[in-house]
Amino acid sequence: EVQLVESGGGLVKPGGSLKISCAASGFAFSSYDMSWVRQTPEKRLEWVAYINSGGGSTYFPDTVKGRFTISRDNAKNILYLQMSSLKSEDTAMYYCVRHDYGGFAYWGQGTLVTVSA
Amino acid sequence: DIKMTQSPSSMYAFLGERVTITCKASQDINSYLNWFQQKPGKSPKTLIYRANRLVDGVPSRFSGSGSGQDYSLTISSLEYEDMGIYYCLQYDEFPYTFGGGTKLEIK
Repeated sequence: EVQLVESGGGLVKPGGSLKISCAASGFAFSSYDMSWVRQTPEKRLEWVAYINSGGGSTYFPDTVKGRFTISRDNAKNILYLQMSSLKSEDTAMYYCVRHDYGGFAYWGQGTLVTVSA
Repeated sequence: DIKMTQSPSSMYAFLGERVTITCKASQDINSYLNWFQQKPGKSPKTLIYRANRLVDGVPSRFSGSGSGQDYSLTISSLEYEDMGIYYCLQYDEFPYTFGGGTKLEIK
């Protein structure tokens, strides 16, 4: 069974940094592209980062480019999202997503990030 | 960026009714479209990929169609468990973009 378990969310001050993780199990993690997607309190979904299976290619939308970094440890089956210069508008539930068929296939349960003074 | 316009934003329907939700892309997305269902307090669940291909285990009352810029998700006979928010996503090009969501409630 595919499992994606996010962790590391919490309360952080504006301008601060946070690194969240996603532990993957039940599939060959190193064979799949992965993404991070966030959902705002208003329930809007936004894709925020992509990494290919080998970790050599990454993409970000302009809203987080230069502030967020995505990485993976294929030996430990863990996906990371390093977030810096955080803003209030980064407050959201962050989901780890496994790709398949090109698009999104499996979602984790999410970890909540709150940016507030 | 490709804009995904989803409609309606909310709707009520009767049990057993046929329901259709649409997504219009601002350009051709070559059928690289997902549909997701999100129930209250849960993470999204993938229903359809490549515009019309049902994910294993998803009930056959769900179907997807469309091409070019215009896509739709249809529930052939609404069941109570189908209540939730539905989203589309284009993955033809970066940045991937979502529709604004359709909140489906039972009358």
